Amino acid sequence: GENVEQHPSTLSVQEGDSAVIKCTYSDSASNYFPWYKQELGKRPQLIIDIRSNVGEKKDQRIAVTLNKTAKHFSLHITETQPEDSAVYFCAANYNQGGKLIFGQGTELSVKP
Amino acid sequence: GAGVSQSPSNKVTEKGKDVELRCDPISGHTALYWYRQRLGQGLEFLIYFQGNSAPDKSGLPSDRFSAERTGESVSTLTIQRTQQEDSAVYLCASSLKGAFNSPLHFGNGTRLTVT
Repeated sequence: GENVEQHPSTLSVQEGDSAVIKCTYSDSASNYFPWYKQELGKRPQLIIDIRSNVGEKKDQRIAVTLNKTAKHFSLHITETQPEDSAVYFCAANYNQGGKLIFGQGTELSVKP
Repeated sequence: GAGVSQSPSNKVTEKGKDVELRCDPISGHTALYWYRQRLGQGLEFLIYFQGNSAPDKSGLPSDRFSAERTGESVSTLTIQRTQQEDSAVYLCASSLKGAFNSPLHFGNGTRLTVT
């Protein structure tokens, strides 16, 4: 079925350390993989995305990697800061279109 | 311009009553999505509208749930005979051309509590 698995569900790191969140998807036709950040009490917002024609994309301290053969993709945050604390959701599109299925979320806590 | 607007922001209803949730997307956005977020959980896909195409209703959990959208404007999500397990935040999002081509912009959600 249409499924996106996300791990870990919670992640606690010290300020300055790196954080990695991993997701797997089930549809080999999926070709778009965005990441959304939801701060406490706020709406989710897109932070970075990757399409299946590239293996890695970076934007300052965040990067995403994609392994289409294994059907998994990851979010990497380097030099974490307290303001990175939030819930992060990965997602994948299905039916080769705009239907977007989200993972269960990872609650990241960055301790000063 | 204005973002995605949802109303009401909070709704408390008795079990068995019907509720109607409203979403005003960003003007010009052709795609509109409804998701359900239970406390501490992920974003559960409910339904997706894209332009004048037939909506993808594959995420609606039961026949008590339905949604409509008039053209490329307002959408309403209706839950009939509400149950306690329907309690959640219902999030609406719109996208200029659909998620593959343009990001989703979320509303603040409607928090539904069924007593």
